[in-house]
Amino acid sequence: KAGVTQTPRYLIKTRGQQVTLSCSPISGHRSVSWYQQTPGQGLQFLFEYFSETQRNKGNFPGRFSGRQFSNSRSEMNVSTLELGDSALYLCASSYRVGSGELFFGEGSRLTVL
Amino acid sequence: DAKTTQPPSMDCAEGRAANLPCNHSTISGNEYVYWYRQIHSQGPQYIIHGLKNNETNEMASLIITEDRKSSTLILPHATLRDTAVYYCIVRVEGNAGNMLTFGGGTRLMVKP
Repeated sequence: KAGVTQTPRYLIKTRGQQVTLSCSPISGHRSVSWYQQTPGQGLQFLFEYFSETQRNKGNFPGRFSGRQFSNSRSEMNVSTLELGDSALYLCASSYRVGSGELFFGEGSRLTVL
Repeated sequence: DAKTTQPPSMDCAEGRAANLPCNHSTISGNEYVYWYRQIHSQGPQYIIHGLKNNETNEMASLIITEDRKSSTLILPHATLRDTAVYYCIVRVEGNAGNMLTFGGGTRLMVKP
């Protein structure tokens, strides 16, 4: 069974631009969550989707948004990029809501110049 | 979710058991203890979880004290590939969602 797939793996943007990251969960998993990892703040929860509905949202500004499609694939978008948005963005999937057993992808590393 | 405290770093000799402690003194009765690890430049990997009984799987063993205020993750025969940051997480199961709150973790260095 294929794991969680995130694209692109690496990208470089400049301040003010926007970026879209994609996540394909493990087949059969309907819950997708996103995390941001930076050296200073560590791993922080962004948001979680189940059946195309956002269930939880972390403490991030509105520039960070996401969505989930009917096939459970998810995208997250960051608009008006700032230097501090440089991070590893991780997607995780789970077969059910309420489970702490998540399967993470390898992440998308975003660098903002 | 209850707060956890872990030592920032530990060393272990290859082939020996690695015992990683976690303190969660404010844990409540319906909170589970989860362990994840993150090998450099990869996504976190689920290891094991438990409520109050000791648990074992092919990767590790989880020992939870009787009062549930602390736990230990045991890697029975550590290899160089076990070098990673290990996270202890306490969370409630159920409809609260899948959110995990990661702390600083323990950086385990397995040395030859």
